[in-house]
Amino acid sequence: AQSVTQLDSHVSVSEGTPVLLRCNYSSSYSPSLFWYVQHPNKGLQLLLKYTSAATLVKGINGFEAEFKKSETSFHLTKPSAHMSDAAEYFCVVRVYTGRRALTFGSGTRLQVQP
Amino acid sequence: SQTIHQWPATLVQPVGSPLSLECTVEGTSNPNLYWYRQAAGRGLQLLFYSVGIGQISSEVPQNLSASRPQDRQFILSSKKLLLSDSGFYLCAWSVSQGASYGYTFGSGTRLTVV
Repeated sequence: AQSVTQLDSHVSVSEGTPVLLRCNYSSSYSPSLFWYVQHPNKGLQLLLKYTSAATLVKGINGFEAEFKKSETSFHLTKPSAHMSDAAEYFCVVRVYTGRRALTFGSGTRLQVQP
Repeated sequence: SQTIHQWPATLVQPVGSPLSLECTVEGTSNPNLYWYRQAAGRGLQLLFYSVGIGQISSEVPQNLSASRPQDRQFILSSKKLLLSDSGFYLCAWSVSQGASYGYTFGSGTRLTVV
């Protein structure tokens, strides 16, 4: 079975400071992992994905995530937060069945203070 | 390029009324199609997936049903809405074969049952 745990339901940072959104996963197989962002009243947008290539994955808008198998973690980071980064972020693990569906974490709401 | 359309964006329906949400995909053929729901304060939950016309699999027992009358059309329905059906519904598609792990989501429908 696959599962994903986002350790913080809410994170607040000041503009210009680093962002860290934590994610731990559980998977019986080598997982594919994703981070999606959802801005208010909008659909989901893919930030980045890990599919067993480089363990440090760079995404859009300056975000990156590092796959650490020993820690079963896939934390999302950004060196300097912008006001436009305020949104909800979902860590996602891909389920390895014929239907190729995704298991979502419960989400982390990122607030950026001016 | 591939695009996904989902409508309506928002919907307010009384308890007991019917529901029909439509999703269409352009620029690809034979996609896997999905309906997800995000209840308030929770992560996304897979409701239905389809690997082809007329092929629907349900993930959770509920008051909803799905249909795929055409290759790139996916419809979410209910005969009688419940208050608990309120939430944010997202349609998504992925390639049915190949090494791509990308999932593309529609912009979502916010359903409020009153």
